[in-house]
Amino acid sequence: GEDVEQSLFLSVREGDSSVINCTYTDSSSTYLYWYKQEPGAGLQLLTYIFSNMDMKQDQRLTVLLNKKDKHLSLRIADTQTGDSAIYFCAASETSYDKVIFGPGTSLSVIP
Amino acid sequence: DTGVSQNPRHKITKRGQNVTFRCDPISEHNRLYWYRQTLGQGPEFLTYFQNEAQLEKSRLLSDRFSAERPKGSFSTLEIQRTEQGDSAMYLCASSLGGMRELFFGEGSRLTVL
Repeated sequence: GEDVEQSLFLSVREGDSSVINCTYTDSSSTYLYWYKQEPGAGLQLLTYIFSNMDMKQDQRLTVLLNKKDKHLSLRIADTQTGDSAIYFCAASETSYDKVIFGPGTSLSVIP
Repeated sequence: DTGVSQNPRHKITKRGQNVTFRCDPISEHNRLYWYRQTLGQGPEFLTYFQNEAQLEKSRLLSDRFSAERPKGSFSTLEIQRTEQGDSAMYLCASSLGGMRELFFGEGSRLTVL
């Protein structure tokens, strides 16, 4: 089955860019997602990318996909203290299929 | 609509007792998912429904766990004969079939003493 891995912690200074990396194992994963979890709140979808895309940009967020290496990254430009949260990489085979999550990367933003 | 609702938010029980969690999805959503999350881990898939049909169950879901969605609306997750290893946050999510976004509730935290 699918396995999703991420580094567990990242610390950046306010105003810098953050890059969160993720690898997945199942080459049949078609949809790749980034979810955000703030303390005491439910997970929220930030963005997703379809496997036939290399890049997707959405305001301060840039997602890069290297399908050959099964590597996904999330770049947050001009990181703010409000971006401090846990970011989960996730994958699914189809839009109807279950979504498999990684362990999450805890992002700390230093003022 | 206020989103996915889960009850109770926190349940403390003694080992060996049965517990039941309820999830009310967003009203028009036909897909409903249960996940389990332990501290420092990502959500682990347990099971999901399309309408009232249970489409897949994880191997993590032992025979002590059962989930139902009797009328294709709310769902319940029951854990029988709880063990300390069942202590976790149980997350419910819903989606509209074919749409890519899962909408999560805030979870039900189970503590087994």
